[in-house]
Order: sequence, then C-alpha cells, then structure tokens
Amino acid sequence: QQQVKQSPQSLIVQKGGISIINCAYENTAFDYFPWYQQFPGKGPALLIAIRPDVSEKKEGRFTISFNKSAKQFSLHIMDSQPGDSATYFCAAAPKGAQKLVFGQGTRLTINP
Amino acid sequence: KAGVTQTPRYLIKTRGQQVTLSCSPISGHRSVSWYQQTPGQGLQFLFEYFSETQRNKGNFPGRFSGRQFSNSRSEMNVSTLELGDSALYLCASSLSWTGINSPLHFGNGTRLTVT
Repeated sequence: QQQVKQSPQSLIVQKGGISIINCAYENTAFDYFPWYQQFPGKGPALLIAIRPDVSEKKEGRFTISFNKSAKQFSLHIMDSQPGDSATYFCAAAPKGAQKLVFGQGTRLTINP
Repeated sequence: KAGVTQTPRYLIKTRGQQVTLSCSPISGHRSVSWYQQTPGQGLQFLFEYFSETQRNKGNFPGRFSGRQFSNSRSEMNVSTLELGDSALYLCASSLSWTGINSPLHFGNGTRLTVT
C-alpha cells in the first residue's frame, strides 16, 4: 500500500512534442505529490508539486494533473526540449510524515 | 543560498569496513533525511532527523545509522559493509515536515562502491 507505480520506464519524444508520465498510488493517506527531475551525476531536483485538493497545477511548460478518485497523477511537459532529457520521479508523502515514497522513475529522451 | 552539501562525492570501501557520510543542509533547514538510490530498488528512505532526534526510519538493517548535530548537519554511518550497499546515498533537507510549503531539497549524493 506504500507503493507508487510509475509508467512508462522510458520515453522518447520529439522536440516540441508533449511528454506524459503517469503515476498511481493506493495509500489514501498520501497528502503531497511532488515530481523530481534528475540529471546524471546530480541529485533529484524538485520540479513541481501538488496537493490532492487541487486537480491541476501548471508551472511554465510543466503541468501536474491529479485524479483523486482514480488515485492517479501525471506530469505533462509541453513543447519538450532536448534539455528536458533526464530521469523523472513521482513521489508521495502522507501528511505529517517526513518520508517520500518514490516511483521507479522514467528516463525521458527528447530527440532534436 | 547554498544548497545541500554532501561529502565525500565518491567512496570506495572494502566489504566488512564501515563508512561515514556527511551532509550539510540548506541554511535554516532543521530536517535532514537520507535516501539510498540503486538501479534495482530506486530511491528508498533511510531515516530522517529533526532537532537532533530521529523522527522516521525506513526498512533498513541496524547497520545503517545516523545522527544530527545541533547545527543541523548530519552524518550517516554504515557498518560491516556488504556488496549490496553499493549505491548513491542522497541527503535531503527541508524546513520542517515535507509538503507544499516545505519541499525536500536533495544534495548531489555520495557514490559508495563496496568491493
């Protein structure tokens, strides 16, 4: 019940296209859903985050869509650029718990 | 503002040895967490400290331990190293409980190789 399932494992998108990564969870105590971006040799960097009382959050080219009833959330990257090529992780945390549960990651490649 | 700083960046140890990793959080952050990242298991939570007290612990054996000092700096220790302990160890800090208003910020990690 503590798992966060992420798909796909890898994704190739053409420059200018939309990249979509999906995550699903089961623990209804999860209250916070961040997305992290990780480049080789670097630690994960926070990209965007959402709480379950919001269905969508947009920051620049990055959008989180959240479906509380389906217990699913997704990251959309609009106008994908080669610089977006990285590994993306979804995560979740219960309220008042200092512990992020991460998805397995998606390796995104943007072809120029 | 400086980010989360981890030292050393790389470590090579022999099976059976012990190792200590160091982490300096972002200034003003009182919570420090540790995660292990491997290709097979992904990112897994080790433990979290706040005001020198361990508040949360993941499912790792007792060989993994940590502590936090009064200046919020933290150390992680792994004793009796095993080959399977080879991983990227990430430290992260936040103001308090992680959430929208207190996101977790990661360092670039310490790459531990056990031979």
